[in-house]
Amino acid sequence: GNSVTQMEGPVTLSEEAFLTINCTYTATGYPSLFWYVQYPGEGLQLLLKATKADDKGSNKGFEATYRKETTSFHLEKGSVQVSDSAVYFCALATGANSKLTFGKGITLSVRP
Amino acid sequence: GAVVSQHPSWVICKSGTSVKIECRSLDFQATTMFWYRQFPKQSLMLMATSNEGSKATYEQGVEKDKFLINHASLTLSTLTVTSAHPEDSSFYICSAPWTSGFYNEQFFGPGTRLTVL
Repeated sequence: GNSVTQMEGPVTLSEEAFLTINCTYTATGYPSLFWYVQYPGEGLQLLLKATKADDKGSNKGFEATYRKETTSFHLEKGSVQVSDSAVYFCALATGANSKLTFGKGITLSVRP
Repeated sequence: GAVVSQHPSWVICKSGTSVKIECRSLDFQATTMFWYRQFPKQSLMLMATSNEGSKATYEQGVEKDKFLINHASLTLSTLTVTSAHPEDSSFYICSAPWTSGFYNEQFFGPGTRLTVL
């Protein structure tokens, strides 16, 4: 079956620090990969996505590259802000009905 | 982008009562919607796939008689937690896929916090 593994959290960084959140996956077929963000008290929002190998998704300064050879989709940002404090979920989808499989999520806290 | 709403945003009920949660796609039609459950500081667990005009498909281990799903129209799916107990207290989230190009992107509702006393 499909599964997504995220690094253990929580993560606490100072403002303007570099961020990496690791995500690896196992899947049958050719999955699409996603990062979702959940701000405090809100629902999930799509942050970025990649639908095939070597694609790079990017949004709001965040980037992630679909690496088929290492089955990874690590999230990076060069300089985090306090407003980036949230829970980040890595996810994948296969098949026509787009059913998502989520990782456990990781809480990011950014200090001023 | 597409918008998905949920109602209510939070509900408190007594043990043994039933609670209905609505999920609506506001500006698009969704023949399929998904219901998730999220425990504190944990990931989203897919409970079931709601199918317009037919029975829902439940994930393994989810009691279909406990969590009744009705997808009565192309914009509305409801989840009813029957005879709720404290262990049903959780954050329930729905999502609906919306076609953008060749891929169905999922849009999530803001969630419903259920507390069973």
